[in-house]
Amino acid sequence: EVQLVESGGGLVEPGRSLRLSCAASGFTFGDYAMNWVRQVPGKGLEWVSGMSWNSDYVGYADSVKGRFTISRDNAKNSLFLQMNSLRAEDAALYYCARGTRGVIIGGFDYWGQGILVTVSS
Amino acid sequence: QSVLTQPPSVSAAPGQTVTISCSGSDSNIGDNYVSWYRQLPGTAPELLIYDNYHRPSEIPDRFSGSKSGTSATLGITGLQTGDEADYYCETWDTSLSAGVFGGGTKLTVL
Repeated sequence: EVQLVESGGGLVEPGRSLRLSCAASGFTFGDYAMNWVRQVPGKGLEWVSGMSWNSDYVGYADSVKGRFTISRDNAKNSLFLQMNSLRAEDAALYYCARGTRGVIIGGFDYWGQGILVTVSS
Repeated sequence: QSVLTQPPSVSAAPGQTVTISCSGSDSNIGDNYVSWYRQLPGTAPELLIYDNYHRPSEIPDRFSGSKSGTSATLGITGLQTGDEADYYCETWDTSLSAGVFGGGTKLTVL
């Protein structure tokens, strides 16, 4: 059974940093692209960042470019999102989502339950 | 303002058929595969359609997807009350080099 479990969320002050983790199991992690998608409660979905299976290709939404860094450790079946210079508008539920293939393009077939990030002083 | 445009809401009676549209441009829908997701209240999104019209094995054939030019459509037949949810389209935007979602459509089964 495919499982994606996010961790690392919480309350952080504006301008500070937070690192999210996603622990994957039930599939060959290194075969798939992985992504982060966020959702402000009550609002729509926003793609944040994605990384290809071998880390060769990385993409970011304009809203986080230069502040967030995605990374993965295929040996540890883990995906990460380093979030720096956090803003109030970054507050959301962050989902880890598996791509349907090794490259970022093509949708997301499995999702974690999400981890809440709150940015407030 | 989402890159992909969906109607905010649609409604239909149980047993009926509904379609949800997703409008984009040459750089997103016109150039890439489209996926569709269903999000029930309080849960994570679920993939319904990928690569324009393919269904994951666990998704019933009541759900269908199509694409023409810069627009895509999700069709749901035999509506059930359990289909009440938010539905999102998604694709890659080649110009933005980013994934993009529609704003979401709330389906009400009357």
